[in-house]
Amino acid sequence: AQSVSQHNHHVILSEAASLELGCNYSYGGTVNLFWYVQYPGQHLQLLLKYFSGDPLVKGIKGFEAEFIKSKFSFNLRKPSVQWSDTAEYFCAVNAPYGGATNKLIFGTGTLLAVQP
Amino acid sequence: GAVVSQHPSWVICKSGTSVKIECRSLDFQATTMFWYRQFPKQSLMLMATSNEGSKATYEQGVEKDKFLINHASLTLSTLTVTSAHPEDSSFYICSARAERTTAGGPEETQYFGPGTRLLVL
Repeated sequence: AQSVSQHNHHVILSEAASLELGCNYSYGGTVNLFWYVQYPGQHLQLLLKYFSGDPLVKGIKGFEAEFIKSKFSFNLRKPSVQWSDTAEYFCAVNAPYGGATNKLIFGTGTLLAVQP
Repeated sequence: GAVVSQHPSWVICKSGTSVKIECRSLDFQATTMFWYRQFPKQSLMLMATSNEGSKATYEQGVEKDKFLINHASLTLSTLTVTSAHPEDSSFYICSARAERTTAGGPEETQYFGPGTRLLVL
């Protein structure tokens, strides 16, 4: 069965620090990869997505993620975080081929707190 | 674009009553919608896949007679929690799948509603 691992449950950073949130998945076939963000009191919003092509994907608000197929990873990065980036971040995987149903498998989420 | 709404945003009901939650895709058509449940400090758990014009597909362990899903149109899916009990209290979130065809193949993205907080007394 597919699974998604986010190794960091809580991350605390100061403003202007660099961010990297880990995401690993277990599925050997073609995958689509997503990062969603949930700001306090708000709904899940799409941050960025990877379907094919350039493995370095740029999303909104200065976030980017790199798909490394050999490592089954899709880590999220931001060079300089802001207080407004405080939120919970979810990695998700969708396997559109190979007999798997087209549903998203979510990681457990990483709560990021940015201190001003 | 790709906005999904849910109604109501929160509901409090007595044990034994039924509650209906609506999920609408406002600016696109969605043949497939999904219903999730989110427990405090946990990730989203997929409950069921709602398919327009056909029966929903439920995940293992989810009672289909308890959580009735109807996907009557390309922009509306409803989840009815029947005979709700306190253990059904939770945050219910829907998503709608947007599809587009590109040179690289089909791309499917789920857009999420704001969620419905249900409290059963």
